[in-house]
Amino acid sequence: RKEVEQDPGPFNVPEGATVAFNCTYSNSASQSFFWYRQDCRKEPKLLMSVYSSGNEDGRFTAQLNRASQYISLLIRDSKLSDSATYLCVRTSGGYQKVTFGIGRKLQVIP
Amino acid sequence: DAGVTQSPTHLIKTRGQQVTLRCSPKSGHDTVSWYQQALGQGPQFIFQYYEEEERQRGNFPDRFSGHQFPNYSSELNVNALLLGDSALYLCASSLAVPTDTQYFGPGTRLTVL
Repeated sequence: RKEVEQDPGPFNVPEGATVAFNCTYSNSASQSFFWYRQDCRKEPKLLMSVYSSGNEDGRFTAQLNRASQYISLLIRDSKLSDSATYLCVRTSGGYQKVTFGIGRKLQVIP
Repeated sequence: DAGVTQSPTHLIKTRGQQVTLRCSPKSGHDTVSWYQQALGQGPQFIFQYYEEEERQRGNFPDRFSGHQFPNYSSELNVNALLLGDSALYLCASSLAVPTDTQYFGPGTRLTVL
């Protein structure tokens, strides 16, 4: 099993839709999880951290489920400007080795 | 406050050549990590430098080497380039704190012909 697995297929959704991204991970010590956003031909930028208790920032909600070993990102009321690739990220170990998912491209359509 | 900077932005090389990419970390950051991002893939961790030493390394051959300078800037060197080395090379900086966020530079797009 890959360290971090993310469904790669693109999302095409209409404006206003709710979109959910999921990643599964294999267990490792001292883990932290994040969601990054990457615009076309740009660098990844931190979107939000992921906690077991959940993390909400406006229209964005991130959740960590340690029992099932997955993390999720929910985008409500999607906007055209949300169009980008979303990458799940895990850091693990004492030196915080960083592992990215493959990324999933979101296209919000007018 | 300057963010992470990388140079050059684009580079074209031929097979067998060598290349050096450069990175300056965000002000105040002391740790630099390098990633390779092939088209349609997530970034793959190459290695991380802290206190001028390679602290950890991903699954990349010895053709990939690096260096960190006393001012925390870093270089990535790739020898004997292969066509498969064509990718976006990203540098990220952070503090040497386990929970610190990594900030990425704009990347260097390397094309190997």
